Amino acid sequence: KAGVTQTPRYLIKTRGQQVTLSCSPISGHRSVSWYQQTPGQGLQFLFEYFSETQRNKGNFPGRFSGRQFSNSRSEMNVSTLELGDSALYLCASSLAGTLRGGYTFGSGTRLTVV
Amino acid sequence: QQQVKQSPQSLIVQKGGIPIINCAYENTAFDYFPWYQQFPGKGPALLIAIRPDVSEKKEGRFTISFNKSAKQFSLHIMDSQPGDSATYFCAAEGGGSQGNLIFGKGTKLSVKP
Repeated sequence: KAGVTQTPRYLIKTRGQQVTLSCSPISGHRSVSWYQQTPGQGLQFLFEYFSETQRNKGNFPGRFSGRQFSNSRSEMNVSTLELGDSALYLCASSLAGTLRGGYTFGSGTRLTVV
Repeated sequence: QQQVKQSPQSLIVQKGGIPIINCAYENTAFDYFPWYQQFPGKGPALLIAIRPDVSEKKEGRFTISFNKSAKQFSLHIMDSQPGDSATYFCAAEGGGSQGNLIFGKGTKLSVKP
């Protein structure tokens, strides 16, 4: 079956701009989580959605937002980009909203802010 | 209390060796402990996971040892191969925190032929 698909794979944006990243989960998976990965901070949780509702949010500023659609596809948006937002953004999906079955991660979107 | 501490940062072993990666946690509400493997340019892939009511779990060449009283768990890779060279992350989840995996900082493993 198809894995988690993230688009685009690479993105270069200018400081102050905004960006939207997309994630298509595995078919049947209703939970989608987003993580930011940087060399310094490692993998940090952004937020989790289940059935179009945000259930959990990490410690990121309000410039980071997300949403989930009725087909479970998710988007995350970063407004007013800063240089420090340069990172690999990873999306992960899981079955039925429980993590006990494990996350399946996509390959990520590499965002570079210049 | 939300941290997961992972060591070592990097590890070099010879082919056939048994690298061991250790993690420690503080939050006793954690109840699910997965290990992930990440290759360059790819997302993390789930290797193996354990719950605190089990002291050891094996899947192929990968073994998790779990010490609930010490709040520590470790990953052993038996008969390591050059293809195992990757970054390994431990993680923890639980306490009602949906969808929120707390990751260790990662261990870069290099297996020499």
